[in-house]
Amino acid sequence: GAGVSQSPRYKVAKRGQDVALRCDPISGHVSLFWYQQALGQGPEFLTYFQNEAQLDKSGLPSDRFFAERPEGSVSTLKIQRTQQEDSAVYLCASSLGWRSNQPQHFGDGTRLSIL
Amino acid sequence: GIQVEQSPPDLILQEGANSTLRCNFSDSVNNLQWFHQNPWGQLINLFYIPSGTKQNGRLSATTVATERYSLLYISSSQTTDSGVYFCAVQKGGSEKLVFGKGTKLTVNP
Repeated sequence: GAGVSQSPRYKVAKRGQDVALRCDPISGHVSLFWYQQALGQGPEFLTYFQNEAQLDKSGLPSDRFFAERPEGSVSTLKIQRTQQEDSAVYLCASSLGWRSNQPQHFGDGTRLSIL
Repeated sequence: GIQVEQSPPDLILQEGANSTLRCNFSDSVNNLQWFHQNPWGQLINLFYIPSGTKQNGRLSATTVATERYSLLYISSSQTTDSGVYFCAVQKGGSEKLVFGKGTKLTVNP
């Protein structure tokens, strides 16, 4: 597609449930990023992939958060045993190359609400 | 880690007015981007500007990398310019973007 596509746009889950969020990057983009945006704050980095390799996961807040990109294209962010503090917008971004001097393009995000 | 400070935090304008938003960062960077987050939450790329000056219609941006700041100029503002403007930087050796807290702009008719 023309842009980064994320699904679902909205997700409501009960505390303790597992959720999976999907990201389709721009075709041909090597790098893929996940960010978390709490209400009223700027996005914060979670993790980064170059093709299928997860090169940086320093931003993942706990071991309940897991991301994968098995074929170097679509990525899934999984949150196990969700907690209320996981409520946020989860943004995916992709960029063309493996060098840092490439702009990142963002999807519309998934708004996650944990009840 | 690198610190990104944006000012002002809030800005209210009448339609047609001009404004300048500022972004200061605490270390040298490889990448700097300005984004507009509209009321629907979409994060729109405005500029990729690690240094120099760029213009796109009523918007322009200047980054002075040696002095560690960037400015976003909005001229003849319109109500559709309302939203939050974020500056984000990328430091050498790291691929992640570090965002400021944003400037919330409200343009009244």
